[in-house]
Amino acid sequence: QVTLRESGPALVKPTQTLTLTCTFSGFSLSTSGMCVSWIRQPPGKALEWLALIDWDDDKYYSTSLKTRLTISKDTSKNQVVLTMTNMDPVDTATYYCARALCGYSYGLPYWYFDLWGRGTLVTVSS
Amino acid sequence: QSALTQPASVSGSPGQSITISCTGTSSDVGSYNLVSWYQQHPGKAPKLMIYEGSKRPSGVSNRFSGSKSGNTASLTISGLQAEDEADYYCCSYAGSSTYVVFGGGTKLTVL
Repeated sequence: QVTLRESGPALVKPTQTLTLTCTFSGFSLSTSGMCVSWIRQPPGKALEWLALIDWDDDKYYSTSLKTRLTISKDTSKNQVVLTMTNMDPVDTATYYCARALCGYSYGLPYWYFDLWGRGTLVTVSS
Repeated sequence: QSALTQPASVSGSPGQSITISCTGTSSDVGSYNLVSWYQQHPGKAPKLMIYEGSKRPSGVSNRFSGSKSGNTASLTISGLQAEDEADYYCCSYAGSSTYVVFGGGTKLTVL
């Protein structure tokens, strides 16, 4: 059974750095085709893709947020960590981690999110 | 503003069929058959319903189907049931720099 669980602070102050951890089980991030991604959803709004790391430690970031994001993995601990710098109230959202199944199409990497964690609400406020 | 355009809401009666559209551009939906669809009930995490345009994951009802025409992908739900009432999001591969874009979401109401 595959499970993913997000953990991190519920409240951060503006300008601070957010660190979120995704702890997963039921699959290995060293297996070809396995990836983990972060997606967020502001209250009442749409989903927004943030970042993805694949089994080969390749990393992909949202174009609009790439200067603020860092994704990393600890395969031995079955964890993926996302850091987001310079937090702002507009970053208030539920942050989800999701397993992604990664492949190649037209010679380019692509993925879809087959299993999601329950999400963690992060509020940015002074 | 989301990269993919979905209607804000759709509705249907039990037993009917509805279709949710997802309109992108020639840089995303139009160029790749790599659209996925997610169902999200209030307060819950999204659930994968369709991937690679028209494929259903194991366990997803065959009442859900996906298709594409030009720059528009569609999710059709046949034989509507009360439990289908949820928000639905489309997502498309968008090339080697943007990678992934989501739609703005559609609220499905079962009357």
